[in-house]
Amino acid sequence: AQSVAQPEDQVNVAEGNPLTVKCTYSVSGNPYLFWYVQYPNRGLQFLLKYITGDNLVKGSYGFEAEFNKSQTSFHLKKPSALVSDSALYFCAVRATRGSSNTGKLIFGQGTTLQVKP
Amino acid sequence: GAVVSQHPSRVICKSGTSVKIECRSLDFQATTMFWYRQFPKQSLMLMATSNEGSKATYEQGVEKDKFLINHASLTLSTLTVTSAHPEDSSFYICSALGAGGSYNEQFFGPGTRLTVL
Repeated sequence: AQSVAQPEDQVNVAEGNPLTVKCTYSVSGNPYLFWYVQYPNRGLQFLLKYITGDNLVKGSYGFEAEFNKSQTSFHLKKPSALVSDSALYFCAVRATRGSSNTGKLIFGQGTTLQVKP
Repeated sequence: GAVVSQHPSRVICKSGTSVKIECRSLDFQATTMFWYRQFPKQSLMLMATSNEGSKATYEQGVEKDKFLINHASLTLSTLTVTSAHPEDSSFYICSALGAGGSYNEQFFGPGTRLTVL
């Protein structure tokens, strides 16, 4: 079965420090991986995606993520956190074409990032 | 990035009435749109996949007669919650699949907060 896990409900980090939000996945075939951010009472904003190519993907607002096939992980990172980064972060995965889940996303349960000044 | 709008952003209705939520892709055509619901501090639950010109595909456990989806054009999908009850109160989010089909990311609307009294 396809699944995405975000093992931490909440991550706390001080402003200026590096942050990591963890994500692991389980899919058949090659995964397409995504990170989204959600601010209160808002829809999701796309941050970055991994389809193929370099394992380190750079995205919006200074975020990046590293795809690790052997560990089936796609952790979100940022070198220096901002208070404004505080939000709910979702990791998502989609299986490759040929699956019956064409276009569908499987979301992790979300991780609340709290950046304190 | 591509813009998806939802209307209304917030709606309060009496139990037993029907509510229609619109999802529009503003600057691109979307043959596929998705409808999600989200409970507080929880992940997104996919309700159905909406395909332009054809019937929606509902996820297991979602009542198709209660949650009517119409994708009449390449830029508009509607979700009608029929005979709404308090347990239908939730945050409803739509998304549209970007150009390039299932290899691209989904673009999310800002969400609609439904409260059924």
